[in-house]
Amino acid sequence: AIRMTQSPSSFSASTGDRVTITCRASQGISSYLAWYQQKPGKAPKLLIYAASTLQSGVPSRFSGSGSGTDFTLTISCLQSEDFATYYCQQYYSYPHAFGPGTKVDIK
Amino acid sequence: QITLKESGPTLVKPTQTLTLTCTFSGFSLSTSGVGVGWIRQPPGKALEWLALIYWDDDKRYSPSLKSRLTITKDTSKNQVVLTMTNMDPVDTATYYCAHLYSGYLDRVFDYWGQGTLVTVSS
Repeated sequence: AIRMTQSPSSFSASTGDRVTITCRASQGISSYLAWYQQKPGKAPKLLIYAASTLQSGVPSRFSGSGSGTDFTLTISCLQSEDFATYYCQQYYSYPHAFGPGTKVDIK
Repeated sequence: QITLKESGPTLVKPTQTLTLTCTFSGFSLSTSGVGVGWIRQPPGKALEWLALIYWDDDKRYSPSLKSRLTITKDTSKNQVVLTMTNMDPVDTATYYCAHLYSGYLDRVFDYWGQGTLVTVSS
């Protein structure tokens, strides 16, 4: 099974910051990667799929890049509503594993 | 508008079998390409992909849990059922069902239920 890792596991940031979260797959997954945002007590929300395709309705400050084994999620200008935990997920092969998550909290 | 909702027991005893139902609307599981999956999340921990069923009854399971999981669908009722046998306290988690978006080659969860917390305790 493909294993996903994320870094950092958590960090603090301020509104207006540009933040980048990294996701790495244990083997190549082409561009079969999604990013989700989860707020406390809520279900995850799909942000990006196919590594860089923005889900409908998601603000353009979110962007994704990468292919193969290394991927990034970037938030260009952090807003108050962006403080949350972010998960990557590969769907190259079953099981479609999630990463361990990256928590972004307020500095 | 696509909606999903999980239902089932909030408390189960160790060794018991858990049965969860996902009732959905806004799509049909008889439509080509459609799928519904189950994901769980222990308190304070990460998401774990459990199982997936497609419109054609193709089923996929997490290898680590495959011996304990069964996923089925009832297209006429717009429901997907997940059963997990031999429950243990480590299976305490919020269980989510989600609609699978099947694009050209994409298989991602674009709509999620609210989740249901299942506690395993004697």
